[in-house]
Amino acid sequence: QKEVEQNSGPLSVPEGAIASLNCTYSDRVSQSFFWYRQYSGKSPELIMSIYSNGDKEDGRFTAQLNKASQYVSLLIRDSQPSDSATYLCAVRGGATNKLIFGTGTLLAVQP
Amino acid sequence: KAGVTQTPRYLIKTRGQQVTLSCSPISGHRSVSWYQQTPGQGLQFLFEYFSETQRNKGNFPGRFSGRQFSNSRSEMNVSTLELGDSALYLCASSLIQGMTGELFFGEGSRLTVL
Repeated sequence: QKEVEQNSGPLSVPEGAIASLNCTYSDRVSQSFFWYRQYSGKSPELIMSIYSNGDKEDGRFTAQLNKASQYVSLLIRDSQPSDSATYLCAVRGGATNKLIFGTGTLLAVQP
Repeated sequence: KAGVTQTPRYLIKTRGQQVTLSCSPISGHRSVSWYQQTPGQGLQFLFEYFSETQRNKGNFPGRFSGRQFSNSRSEMNVSTLELGDSALYLCASSLIQGMTGELFFGEGSRLTVL
C-alpha cells in the first residue's frame, strides 16, 4: 500500500463547475496535510494546508480533512481553465515525519 | 526576494559517472529537502537537511548522498549513475524544519543518463 494515494485522473470538469480531488494516506498518526499544484513543466507550489479535522476555505479552494477515515480532499469552486494542472497531496508526520507526496491527480477544466 | 536556485538546470551523463547538483535556498530558510520526480513514481523523498544535519532520509540506495553547508546551501551527489536515475531533481526550502510542509521548490535539475 502506498503511503499517500491519489487517483491519477485525468479529472475533466467543465468551466464553472466544482472539481473534487481526493487523497488517502496510510499512516494513522500523520498530522499535517497539504495540497500543491504543479503546472506542466513547472515546479509544485503550495496552495492549501490543513492540520485539523473539518474544512478550511481559502478563496475558491476548500480543503477537507477526516483523520478517522484517513482522507483529505480539495474542492475547487467555479473551476477555471487556468486551474488545469496536476494537484499533489502531501502528508507529513507519523512515524518518520517525512513529507510524502502522492503521485498527483491531473485536472483538466474544459472551457 | 530571490527564490530557490538550482544548478545546473539540465545535464546529460553516461552510466557509471557521478553527478553533483546544487541548491541555494531562499534567504533566511534553513531547511532544504530534495525530491526525485519521475512520470511513473511522482515525487519521491530523498533527504531533508536542517542546520547542516541530515534530519530525514528516503528509501534510496547509498549512491545518493547529500550535504548542507553553513550558509544553508545544499548539494546532492549521485555516484555510479544508472539509467533509472534519469529524472527531475527538485530542491525545496522552508523556513523551519519539522512539522511544516510549506515548501518552496526550485525549478529543478533535469538529469538524463545515457
